[in-house]
Amino acid sequence: EVQLLESGGGLVQPGGSLRLSCAASGFTFSNYAMNWVRQAPGKGLEWVSAITNTGDSTYYADTVKGRFTISRDNSQNTLYLQMSSLRAEDTSVYYCVKARSGDIAAAGNYWGQGTLVTVSS
Amino acid sequence: DIQMTQSPSSLSASVGDRVTITCRASQGIRNFLAWYQQKPGKVPNVLIYAASTLQSGVPSRFSGSGSGTDFTLTISSLQPEDVASYYCQKYNSAPLTFGGGTKVEIK
Repeated sequence: EVQLLESGGGLVQPGGSLRLSCAASGFTFSNYAMNWVRQAPGKGLEWVSAITNTGDSTYYADTVKGRFTISRDNSQNTLYLQMSSLRAEDTSVYYCVKARSGDIAAAGNYWGQGTLVTVSS
Repeated sequence: DIQMTQSPSSLSASVGDRVTITCRASQGIRNFLAWYQQKPGKVPNVLIYAASTLQSGVPSRFSGSGSGTDFTLTISSLQPEDVASYYCQKYNSAPLTFGGGTKVEIK
């Protein structure tokens, strides 16, 4: 059974940093691209970032480019999102999403339960 | 960047009605389109990928069609458990943009 378990969310002040983790199990993690998708309270889904199965290529939404860094440790079956220079508008539930293939050009087929990030003073 | 425009933003229909949601890409994306369902308070789930391929376990009343710039999600006979928000997403290349969503309610 595929499981994706996010952690690391919490309350952070504007300008602060936070690192999210996503522990994956139930599939060969190193074979699949991974994504972060977020959802602000009461709002729609927003794609944030993606990384290929090898980690060689990474992609970002313009809203987070230069502030967020996606990475993965295939030996630990874990996906990360390092977030810095956080703003109030980054407040969202952040979901870890598994892609259907090693390339990012693949729909997501499994979602984690999400972790809430609140940016507020 | 390619924009994804969903319509309508919300709809109310009766049980048994045929419901259609559209998603338009500002440029062609071939069939690199997925549809997700998010029930209230729940995590999104994929319904359809590659524009028309039904995800395993999804009821057959859901179907998808389209290619290029215009796509459709159809619920052939709306059921109470279909109350949810529905999102399209393009995934041909980054950014993997979502549509704005369609909230479906029962009349």
